[in-house]
Amino acid sequence: QKEVEQNSGPLSVPEGAIASLNCTYSDRGSQSFFWYRQYSGKSPELIMSIYSNGDKEDGRFTAQLNKASQYVSLLIRDSQPSDSATYLCAAGDKAAGNKLTFGGGTRVLVKP
Amino acid sequence: EAQVTQNPRYLITVTGKKLTVTCSQNMNHEYMSWYRQDPGLGLRQIYYSMNVEVTDKGDVPEGYKVSRKEKRNFPLILESPSPNQTSLYFCASSIDRGRDSPLHFGNGTRLTVT
Repeated sequence: QKEVEQNSGPLSVPEGAIASLNCTYSDRGSQSFFWYRQYSGKSPELIMSIYSNGDKEDGRFTAQLNKASQYVSLLIRDSQPSDSATYLCAAGDKAAGNKLTFGGGTRVLVKP
Repeated sequence: EAQVTQNPRYLITVTGKKLTVTCSQNMNHEYMSWYRQDPGLGLRQIYYSMNVEVTDKGDVPEGYKVSRKEKRNFPLILESPSPNQTSLYFCASSIDRGRDSPLHFGNGTRLTVT
């Protein structure tokens, strides 16, 4: 069973600080990785994708991928109360037609 | 507006009473999928469809049926719902199954089976 693991949280972060979210995956065949943000009662929305080892930055978000360690992370800089949400990590398996396996999500709470 | 529309948003039903949750997308997407979301378990795929008349099982297909007779519609059918199917359901679509094709999610259907 392919698995994507996340700490459920909540991760409590002061406003303006950096939120650091971690995700590990079990399937070495995974080649694409995604972070989705989900506000309470709402549908997930894609915020970042990463396919190669290293860092990828988009605005206040930075995704980091280490395929050797099977580890993906998301950094949120200058955290805002509007960043309070659950963040879902997902891994795509090319051999399975890029089927996504989702983690359980990490709840982030940014306190003013 | 490009969107995935699910109906109903909320549904309370009783064990054994057949129900259908509709899903429609207006983006001409080939790929559509149904997920259920339960606390701590993340999103789990129920069924997916690569195109019209092409459907396949996901990770948790038991107790569900789907059909894809038209490109835009992908209904989820529960022939005999049971309490363990109480969950939050999401329909999603993407252009195709390419790596760079992001999933667009509907607003969700919260189903309670008593």
